[in-house]
Amino acid sequence: LAKTTQPISMDSYEGQEVNITCSHNNIATNDYITWYQQFPSQGPRFIIQGYKTKVTNEVASLFIPADRKSSTLSLPRVSLSDTAVYYCLVGDRTTGGGADGLTFGKGTHLIIQP
Amino acid sequence: AAGVIQSPRHLIKEKRETATLKCYPIPRHDTVYWYQQGPGQDPQFLISFYEKMQSDKGSIPDRFSAQQFSDYHSELNMSSLELGDSALYFCASSPRLAGEYNEQFFGPGTRLTVL
Repeated sequence: LAKTTQPISMDSYEGQEVNITCSHNNIATNDYITWYQQFPSQGPRFIIQGYKTKVTNEVASLFIPADRKSSTLSLPRVSLSDTAVYYCLVGDRTTGGGADGLTFGKGTHLIIQP
Repeated sequence: AAGVIQSPRHLIKEKRETATLKCYPIPRHDTVYWYQQGPGQDPQFLISFYEKMQSDKGSIPDRFSAQQFSDYHSELNMSSLELGDSALYFCASSPRLAGEYNEQFFGPGTRLTVL
């Protein structure tokens, strides 16, 4: 699986847009980029997945440049409840699909302040 | 909506004892995954099952075993417990959707404390 690198921590304020960038220089052609969110003492929760360009859902947007060596998770107008750890995962569609386990790297601890 | 159910939610054991954790997947989900998350650590994949057969294996110690039953629930059996086994154990489930990304839905976890 391609290795990912994310900032260890970030902080922001309520109402701001937060962008978390993930580097994955060795991403393979078949790999997708997936983000999970985890609150303390809770299981991770799927946020968004993409392959290239831009994907948007009701929670976040995912921007992927043409070379796909990085991706940016964008959280619009964050609130205190967005304080969590955010994980970037890279793998092919069978990762987490064909009953393959997910490989969590070091996530980004996002702290939102009032 | 129904979620993944794990029991017990908390468990305290002594060293060298055994423990059994149970996981009940979301209805119509046929795939179950187990993860271990130590204090301050990231989740580590242990093992997964699809249709009662082991599908993928991660960093599961030999002292641990797991199985999936005909009703799709799964049990993680842990023997000769060590202090380092103290962790949150998450179960996740997913449906098998051909050609689609199978998002994993995580349960609330079982907090195991080994004394």
